[in-house]
Amino acid sequence: DGGITQSPKYLFRKEGQNVTLSCEQNLNHDAMYWYRQDPGQGLRLIYYSQIVNDFQKGDIAEGYSVSREKKESFPLTVTSAQKNPTAFYLCASRGGGGGYNEQFFGPGTRLTVL
Amino acid sequence: GENVEQHPSTLSVQEGDSAVIKCTYSDSASNYFPWYKQELGKRPQLIIDIRSNVGEKKDQRIAVTLNKTAKHFSLHITETQPEDSAVYFCAASPTGGFKTIFGAGTRLFVKA
Repeated sequence: DGGITQSPKYLFRKEGQNVTLSCEQNLNHDAMYWYRQDPGQGLRLIYYSQIVNDFQKGDIAEGYSVSREKKESFPLTVTSAQKNPTAFYLCASRGGGGGYNEQFFGPGTRLTVL
Repeated sequence: GENVEQHPSTLSVQEGDSAVIKCTYSDSASNYFPWYKQELGKRPQLIIDIRSNVGEKKDQRIAVTLNKTAKHFSLHITETQPEDSAVYFCAASPTGGFKTIFGAGTRLFVKA
């Protein structure tokens, strides 16, 4: 299960708090992604980054922020503006350019709002 | 915008039977079609993929077919086993692009 890691595995947030989810990869991949998964649902793209110091909004970016200061790291901050953040968050990475490369997923962080 | 539709959303089969999951994509620039399996509470993992220059690919009990003209691709699992029970996602990725568009998933139940 090495290669891409996420922490913590479980996270509890009080209303009004910002929390940051960690994602680290040692696969030397250029592209990294954050997805949100709600129970029984598919994967919805929050943000993605093609290279260091660059990132783009996905389909549901409101209430989230990211940074990409290092190739290995792509942390996601869930801000207080995200009104319903309880979900399973998956980070992924992909190597190379073009469209042929699979995405490798981290083990996920389950966020619960108290 | 780009979209991948996946059917059925739930599929229940008897152990030993075959299972078929179908997907349709909208972006004609898509040329890479991976399939992921996600067990409960775990990460999605790639089980098979197909590129646009190939019509069919097999790996033991699983196979994928691609019809680029119709923008359809399918996953076939033969001789299903209880451990095949999981959620399966299809996806499509366009040439030169970094975004992968996922289907909504199919929950497969294999009854022993």
